[in-house]
Amino acid sequence: GESVGLHLPTLSVQEGDNSIINCAYSNSASDYFIWYKQESGKGPQFIIDIRSNMDKRQGQRVTVLLNKTVKHLSLQIAATQPGDSAVYFCAEDAGGGSYIPTFGRGTSLIVHP
Amino acid sequence: EPEVTQTPSHQVTQMGQEVILRCVPISNHLYFYWYRQILGQKVEFLVSFYNNEISEKSEIFDDQFSVERPDGSNFTLKIRSTKLEDSAMYFCASSLGTKGLEKLFFGSGTQLSVL
Repeated sequence: GESVGLHLPTLSVQEGDNSIINCAYSNSASDYFIWYKQESGKGPQFIIDIRSNMDKRQGQRVTVLLNKTVKHLSLQIAATQPGDSAVYFCAEDAGGGSYIPTFGRGTSLIVHP
Repeated sequence: EPEVTQTPSHQVTQMGQEVILRCVPISNHLYFYWYRQILGQKVEFLVSFYNNEISEKSEIFDDQFSVERPDGSNFTLKIRSTKLEDSAMYFCASSLGTKGLEKLFFGSGTQLSVL
């Protein structure tokens, strides 16, 4: 079936580096994509979203890029900090009239001081 | 900042027992959700709730599960006869406004352990 997946299960970076977390999706009907951050022992926390009519959106230290041609989503974190260490999930709406976010498996970001 | 609150944070139960997981969504939100996350796996959708009825549910949400909004503030998930494989972190979430492309606000979860 159609699914959301992540290329890298774990990403280790040094503090101050830029991080890029990637996500592949296969549901061409998806209109809305969200990145969530989940810290240990907590629920997912919204980071940034993007709609399918956009290819880039910037927030504070984060940028989401959407490439609909290859069905690829990425999250860029500038000047990564130890507090950014968490599991990052991309989520897409299920399409077909359902707007329920469907989560991928997640990428663990480890930031070394 | 308003937040979704869940109680208890950890629930231990015997197989076959009933459990009720409680959530207080953000007060002006209209859509409510339950998700679960088995250790080390992805967050899985269970059910969404709007206007006092289920709007969508997944295959996981079978007859042993039910949801209820017993008053103006609480949103509960009941598992009638727990199984070992129900052990997971259960997250409640809520969203503002009409059904559509909305971001969800999640609680910190209830860790359910079925023995």
